[in-house]
Amino acid sequence: EVQLVESGGGLVQPGRSMKLSCAASGFTFNNYDMAWVCQAPKKGLEWVATISYDGSSTYYRDSVKGRFTISRDNAKSTLYLQMDSLRSEDTATYYCARRDYYDYWGQGVMVTVSS
Amino acid sequence: DIVLTQSPALAVSLGQRATISCRASQSVSISRYNLMHWYQQKPGQQPKLLIYRASNLASGIPARFSGSGSGTDFTLTINPVQADDIATYYCQQSRESPPTFGAGTKLELK
Repeated sequence: EVQLVESGGGLVQPGRSMKLSCAASGFTFNNYDMAWVCQAPKKGLEWVATISYDGSSTYYRDSVKGRFTISRDNAKSTLYLQMDSLRSEDTATYYCARRDYYDYWGQGVMVTVSS
Repeated sequence: DIVLTQSPALAVSLGQRATISCRASQSVSISRYNLMHWYQQKPGQQPKLLIYRASNLASGIPARFSGSGSGTDFTLTINPVQADDIATYYCQQSRESPPTFGAGTKLELK
């Protein structure tokens, strides 16, 4: 059974950093591109970043370029999102998802940026 | 960026057909691939893939869900609608980066 389990969310002050993790199981992790998708409270879905199956390519939405870093450890079947210089508008639930049409999603982790 | 336009809400009766549309600001098709996908999201839950590449039913999804379309116009059909289908439905394109989502269509009971 494919499972994606996020961790690392919580309350953080503006300008600070937070790192999210997504532990994958039930499939060959290093065969798939992975992504982070976010959803602000009561809002729609927004793509955040994608990383290729081998980690060689990364892509970001404009609003997080230079602040967020997506990475992966294929030996640990884990996806990461390092979020620096956080802003109030980054407040959202963050989901990890598999491949370019998101066939599996994690349960999501809430990130609240507030003083 | 490719903008995907969905109607905000659709009211439907149980047992009837629901047709949810998604229009893209430019074509999301490449040769025979229509790179439009559909998701269902219920309150407090993560989204679930229903249809990928316009018309392919995702694993474990009931056959009352179907998708069609090409180019810029796509449709998700639920027939017949069941109570468990009351949710918000999102389209998403993977034709061009950045991947974008529609704003969602909330399916409501009439």
